Amino acid sequence: GAVVSQHPSRVICKSGTSVKIECRSLDFQATTMFWYRQFPKKSLMLMATSNEGSKATYEQGVEKDKFLINHASLTLSTLTVTSAHPEDSSFYICSATGDREENSPLHFGNGTRLTVT
Amino acid sequence: GQQLNQSPQSMFIQEGEDVSMNCTSSSIFNTWLWYKQDPGEGPVLLIALYKAGELTSNGRLTAQFGITRKDSFLNISASIPSDVGIYFCAGEETSGSRLTFGEGTQLTVNP
Repeated sequence: GAVVSQHPSRVICKSGTSVKIECRSLDFQATTMFWYRQFPKKSLMLMATSNEGSKATYEQGVEKDKFLINHASLTLSTLTVTSAHPEDSSFYICSATGDREENSPLHFGNGTRLTVT
Repeated sequence: GQQLNQSPQSMFIQEGEDVSMNCTSSSIFNTWLWYKQDPGEGPVLLIALYKAGELTSNGRLTAQFGITRKDSFLNISASIPSDVGIYFCAGEETSGSRLTFGEGTQLTVNP
C-alpha cells in the first residue's frame, strides 16, 4: 500500500518554457503532499507543502510564482516550473500523506529529472 | 530549523563486511525513518521506528531509535554489492508532518 506515482520520470525542455510534474497517490487519499528538490549527491530539500484544496506553503527562498503547486484533488498534486532556466535543472521528488494508518510512514514518488537546455 | 547530522558521509567497504551509520539531532523526533536511494530514483523506505528505544530489523538491516529520541543508527550486516547507494535518515515530528533529512551516507561495496 501507500504507493506514490510521479510523472514524467524525465523531461527535457527549452529555456523559457514551462514544465508540469504530476504526483499521484494510487491507493490512498493524500491530504498533504510534499515537493522536494535534490541536487547531485545532496540531500532532499523541501520546497513546499501542499494541502488539498488550499494554497501551498512554500519554504523560505522558494519562489512561489516560479514553482506553481496545485493540489486540487485528494489523489493528485502538480508542480509547474514556469519559465524554466538551466539553473532549474534538478531532480524533483514528491511524497504524500493522508488517511494513513497510524504509524505508517511517508512514501516517495520515483522522482522527475528535469533538464533545461 | 531542525537539523540532522548524519555520519559518515561516505563509506568504502569490502563485500561481506558490516556497516554502521548514524544520525543525531538537536531536537526530538517522534518517528525516525531510514531510506535508500539509488541513482535516478526516489528514496525507498527501509525501516521505520516509532518508539524510543525500539530496535527493528529488516533482513540484514537493523535500526534503533535512541532513548532520547534525538538519534538513530542503521546497521547493515554482511554487505553485498547491491547495497551500494545513498542512505538517508529522516525524522518526522508528528504523523503527517514534514520530514527532516540527514545529508546522506554514500555506500560503496567492493566485490
